[in-house]
Amino acid sequence: NAGVTQTPKFRILKIGQSMTLQCTQDMNHNYMYWYRQDPGMGLKLIYYSVGAGITDKGEVPNGYNVSRSTTEDFPLRLELAAPSQTSVYFCASIEGALNTEAFFGQGTRLTVV
Amino acid sequence: EDQVTQSPEALRLQEGESSSLNCSYTVSGLRGLFWYRQDPGKGPEFLFTLYSAGEEKEKERLKATLTKKESFLHITAPKPEDSATYLCAVRKAGNTPLVFGKGTRLSVIA
Repeated sequence: NAGVTQTPKFRILKIGQSMTLQCTQDMNHNYMYWYRQDPGMGLKLIYYSVGAGITDKGEVPNGYNVSRSTTEDFPLRLELAAPSQTSVYFCASIEGALNTEAFFGQGTRLTVV
Repeated sequence: EDQVTQSPEALRLQEGESSSLNCSYTVSGLRGLFWYRQDPGKGPEFLFTLYSAGEEKEKERLKATLTKKESFLHITAPKPEDSATYLCAVRKAGNTPLVFGKGTRLSVIA
């Protein structure tokens, strides 16, 4: 049972480059989330989705985009990378509104230089 | 605005020295309060969910309690393997996401 899988685990980008962080879950969960974690700052919500075709902004969405074409996948797109986007990114999923335990991926450590 | 505040930011304990971590919250319509453990370089790992004031849950050396304004994570006779960052999060009713505190970094010294 793979759970939530994130790729890549590490990436270095140059300023202005683009990339997509991949997130896949095999638990048939409706709710999926993208968080970023900076040292000493906890987890901040970037975007979330309550089902295929539905996405919504979180606390820090600027510079990011998402899509949810299937239940399993929730990719996060960085269009023009900036040093402020250097962070560790976590994807998470929850089965539904009544089941509130979140399962997290192992994270993607992104450095923008 | 929903807020979750954890204290202390960091805690250093000797092995066997019991202590408590605090999570205070301001949120209307609390659906649940969650404790997660996070090891360096890994994603958060679920520990407990608490739903109503007065509720308690235990797992090995950890015990979580909940009041109307705060939650405590009590660590009894900790061991070095309990060293980690402990995160608290809350969720309101409906389709709302988890809101996290900044965490408490616990170090247990042998």
